Amino acid sequence: GAVVSQHPSRVICKSGTSVKIECRSLDFQATTMFWYRQFPKKSLMLMATSNEGSKATYEQGVEKDKFLINHASLTLSTLTVTSAHPEDSSFYICSADFSGTSGIHDFETQYFGPGTRLLVL
Amino acid sequence: KQEVTQIPAALSVPEGENLVLNCSFTDSAIYNLQWFRQDPGKGLTSLLLIQSSQREQTSGRLNASLDKSSGRSTLYIAASQPGDSATYLCAVRGVSNYQLIWGAGTKLIIKP
Repeated sequence: GAVVSQHPSRVICKSGTSVKIECRSLDFQATTMFWYRQFPKKSLMLMATSNEGSKATYEQGVEKDKFLINHASLTLSTLTVTSAHPEDSSFYICSADFSGTSGIHDFETQYFGPGTRLLVL
Repeated sequence: KQEVTQIPAALSVPEGENLVLNCSFTDSAIYNLQWFRQDPGKGLTSLLLIQSSQREQTSGRLNASLDKSSGRSTLYIAASQPGDSATYLCAVRGVSNYQLIWGAGTKLIIKP
């Protein structure tokens, strides 16, 4: 099956620093990737939709200058948390839409990365 | 606006029991519904996907049903095992876009 990786799996940083999280589709091309945030005992919250070669679409209430998303290739999207603060501490998960070799989006299937645990001190 | 609710929030049962997890959604105009499993600190594993035209899907000891008109889905786990302990999430995909709307999950603990 399709595999999505995230790096790092866990990161601890000081308040005020920036942190970059990578999401890679290892064996398929993903024109669309999604970034989610999950609070303890809460559901996943969609932060933004990342499309290769274009600007990300952010959900209401998500600061685009705070959470920078870059989808520079069909296999890589990055989320940079800028000037991180303790309230940014969370579990961040990415997913990739499998578009298949035909280039047709399989809207039924999103493949999820293992997540990144961010702790800002 | 679609809202997804999962009840109960947590469930603890002895090993071997059959159990049912519930998921309800407010807008019946869905493309499909998925059940996922999440292990602590880890990502998501898709368990079952039910298309809007389907009533149920089965995989091994898991059976998921869908009643779109009433806005409900259930995940039935037969002969539960300690390895089934995890958080189970349901998510619905709307017909207008391909975003998933998530429930908060049910944390399941199977006691040996």
